[in-house]
Amino acid sequence: AQTVTQSQPEMSVQEAETVTLSCTYDTSENNYYLFWYKQPPSRQMILVIRQEAYKQQNATENRFSVNFQKAAKSFSLKISDSQLGDTAMYFCAFPSNFGNEKLTFGTGTRLTIIP
Amino acid sequence: GAVVSQHPSWVICKSGTSVKIECRSLDFQATTMFWYRQFPKQSLMLMATSNEGSKATYEQGVEKDKFLINHASLTLSTLTVTSAHPEDSSFYICSAGTKSYEQYFGPGTRLTVT
Repeated sequence: AQTVTQSQPEMSVQEAETVTLSCTYDTSENNYYLFWYKQPPSRQMILVIRQEAYKQQNATENRFSVNFQKAAKSFSLKISDSQLGDTAMYFCAFPSNFGNEKLTFGTGTRLTIIP
Repeated sequence: GAVVSQHPSWVICKSGTSVKIECRSLDFQATTMFWYRQFPKQSLMLMATSNEGSKATYEQGVEKDKFLINHASLTLSTLTVTSAHPEDSSFYICSAGTKSYEQYFGPGTRLTVT
């Protein structure tokens, strides 16, 4: 079974600073997808970024980027120039098993941006 | 982007009654939908996978007779909590899946059973 681990339950940074959230996973697959989702206080789950394992280039979406280390099975999320609106729970997600589209979510990191 | 709606957003019901939650994909067809339950300050717990036109697949420990799921069309899945009890109070979230494993989430339903 695939597992996803987020080792930072809570983090806080000053506005405009850069913060990195960590995620590790375990799989025997070679080609797969990885996701970071954000859940703000509204509780609406929002896709932040996705990474395809066969791509060596790290995914980037504006201020959000990932550091994907396939061999180490690490998938960290970097938020640059953090904004108050980035305050949220962040979940790393990974396919539970391949063929049925299910995702396994990490336990989440609660990120607070301090004004 | 893909939009998933969920209704109602908030419901209070009395113990012993049933509550139905609807999940709709508004601008695309979803062959697979997922139902999650989320306790405060915790991660999402998958309850079941719903496929259009077939029976839902429930995760271990989820009572299928209590949480009835129907996926009658490519745009609608429903979750009915039957004979609700206070311990069923929770936040329920649906999502629509894609072949690339990306999921689009509804805004969630807060259920309170009194």
